[in-house]
Amino acid sequence: GAGVSQSPSNKVTEKGKDVELRCDPISGHTALYWYRQSLGQGLEFLIYFQGNSAPDKSGLPSDRFSAERTGGSVSTLTIQRTQQEDSAVYLCASSPPGTAGTGELFFGEGSRLTVL
Amino acid sequence: AQSVTQPDIHITVSEGASLELRCNYSYGATPYLFWYVQSPGQGLQLLLKYFSGDTLVQGIKGFEAEFKRSQSSFNLRKPSVHWSDAAEYFCAVGLVSGGYNKLIFGAGTRLAVHP
Repeated sequence: GAGVSQSPSNKVTEKGKDVELRCDPISGHTALYWYRQSLGQGLEFLIYFQGNSAPDKSGLPSDRFSAERTGGSVSTLTIQRTQQEDSAVYLCASSPPGTAGTGELFFGEGSRLTVL
Repeated sequence: AQSVTQPDIHITVSEGASLELRCNYSYGATPYLFWYVQSPGQGLQLLLKYFSGDTLVQGIKGFEAEFKRSQSSFNLRKPSVHWSDAAEYFCAVGLVSGGYNKLIFGAGTRLAVHP
């Protein structure tokens, strides 16, 4: 498809398990963002990738969270030893080159994570 | 610290009525301001944005927003709401950091539209 693709759309896991969430950005988009949307909390910035530059990890809430972006395209967000407070919708967004400062991010539909 | 406040968590209006969603921000410099909409089952979509110049900006779907520096506000308006406008609306401020735009979002306002 032409949009940002995220998988799985829904994930239910048990506390303590590891989970991986995948994001496939729009082709040609060099910037990739992960946000977390918790009920009543708005969207919380997690991490940003831009080309081959070092990612901005300043929003990751703990060392249980990590993300990588392979080949400048697909990204995987990994949450280790999941906790119930990790339950949220994880949103991925991308933006094309030259749009730094324009604010137009293209969002996927998100991956809803439920930790039991 | 930079922040965005959307005072109304939930708003209900009748179809055809006017709408105003409030947004206040805290930012030390001239902000980049945005409104995004999240419809059920869909990703967030940019409605409109303010960078500089005319403080009244027009967006898609008949929405507009007005930047008021004195009030640190960027309220979203629509003169006549349609049932399809029912969605969650997010205000955001953009921080230019390291050459990219990190968006700080408010908690959102959920809009319900009565027929």
